Amino acid sequence: DSGVTQTPKHLITATGQRVTLRCSPRSGDLSVYWYQQSLDQGLQFLIQYYNGEERAKGNILERFSAQQFPDLHSELNLSSLELGDSALYFCASSSWGGTGGDTGELFFGEGSRLTVL
Amino acid sequence: DQQVKQNSPSLSVQEGRISILNCDYTNSMFDYFLWYKKYPAEGPTFLISISSIKDKNEDGRFTVFLNKSAKHLSLHIVPSQPGDSAVYFCAGGNAGNMLTFGGGTRLMVKP
Repeated sequence: DSGVTQTPKHLITATGQRVTLRCSPRSGDLSVYWYQQSLDQGLQFLIQYYNGEERAKGNILERFSAQQFPDLHSELNLSSLELGDSALYFCASSSWGGTGGDTGELFFGEGSRLTVL
Repeated sequence: DQQVKQNSPSLSVQEGRISILNCDYTNSMFDYFLWYKKYPAEGPTFLISISSIKDKNEDGRFTVFLNKSAKHLSLHIVPSQPGDSAVYFCAGGNAGNMLTFGGGTRLMVKP
């Protein structure tokens, strides 16, 4: 158990719809990361938040948005869904605080599997 | 631009033998590299890491080698066990702990 909790585990929806994925990081971790894994693909970095603020942005579509709340949980919002958005969405957290010195390890949740029909 | 590449999508090895998983990168700014293991229906779990200033790190049956001049790293598993069967991702990291992952290699260890 990594300590990172993601809900829902599975989600089936239709094209054009909007969904929200939720992530609770490990206790004490300030950084949250979202990754997308499409079928048999690697993990594509979407976005990082640190203590409520956006820290880094990757290959995140404009139809997607995220935020990190004061209690440090994060939500990834996916709108105007397309068939190609079907994927596993992983949240990860780390204790990174800008001072470096750690191994860089991220702790991943079990993922939310989104199926768009 | 794929900064981290795992050119072998799959690898099959006999139990007890050595498994060698390879990874190439293009970004010279990575400060460290990590290997993650992923079982089906689970999130990736950290396996081993190496700082960019080192060329080898060992942890039990797992050893990671880094060749900076060739921008290449490899993960050696000796001896391989059936429970090692999983997808292995290599990743490069830098400030902010943002990891850039390769596409993964599926390792199958046959009993």
